[in-house]
Amino acid sequence: ETGVTQSPTHLIKTRGQQVTLRCSSQSGHNTVSWYQQALGQGPQFIFQYYREEENGRGNFPPRFSGLQFPNYSSELNVNALELDDSALYLCASSLHKGLNTEAFFGQGTRLTVV
Amino acid sequence: KNQVEQSPQSLIILEGKNCTLQCNYTVSPFSNLRWYKQDTGRGPVSLTIMTFSENTKSNGRYTATLDADTKQSSLHITASQLSDSASYICVVTTENYGGSQGNLIFGKGTKLSVKP
Repeated sequence: ETGVTQSPTHLIKTRGQQVTLRCSSQSGHNTVSWYQQALGQGPQFIFQYYREEENGRGNFPPRFSGLQFPNYSSELNVNALELDDSALYLCASSLHKGLNTEAFFGQGTRLTVV
Repeated sequence: KNQVEQSPQSLIILEGKNCTLQCNYTVSPFSNLRWYKQDTGRGPVSLTIMTFSENTKSNGRYTATLDADTKQSSLHITASQLSDSASYICVVTTENYGGSQGNLIFGKGTKLSVKP
């Protein structure tokens, strides 16, 4: 176990709805990154938060947004859900900012958009 | 373009046998290469991390190699067990430079099935 927990584990939403996914980082880690993993594909970087500030963003539209709280836990919000948003959403925490530091992944949230 | 290619796409072996998974990359500037194991529907778990100067690294029955000249890596699994059935993902990261946070480039993974 990595100490990174995500909730919920599974979620079904209707197209057009909004969703919030949550992540608790490993103790002592101040950096959280979010990834989208479509079926049969490798994860795609969405964005990273370091000490409550966004620290880099991948090629995702603005309807994907995030937050990091003072305890370093994080949320991923997706508005106006589309069918293609169906994926496993992974959160990873790390001790330092940047993407080339060791990252510990949570178990993921499986989002299905119908 | 930064890319990570893995082969084979899938592999079936018998319990107790050895296997080798391949990863070729074109990533610059290189920082490190990681192998992750991902069980179906779960998050990836790190197996090894290697920097430019490391040629080999082991973690139990898993041994990773890195040839930075040819930009190739392999993951060798010895005496496979049923619990080794999973996807194995090769990830190459780039350096942080001048405010850039670096990048992670994921391969699509090799799906390994170990049969009794």
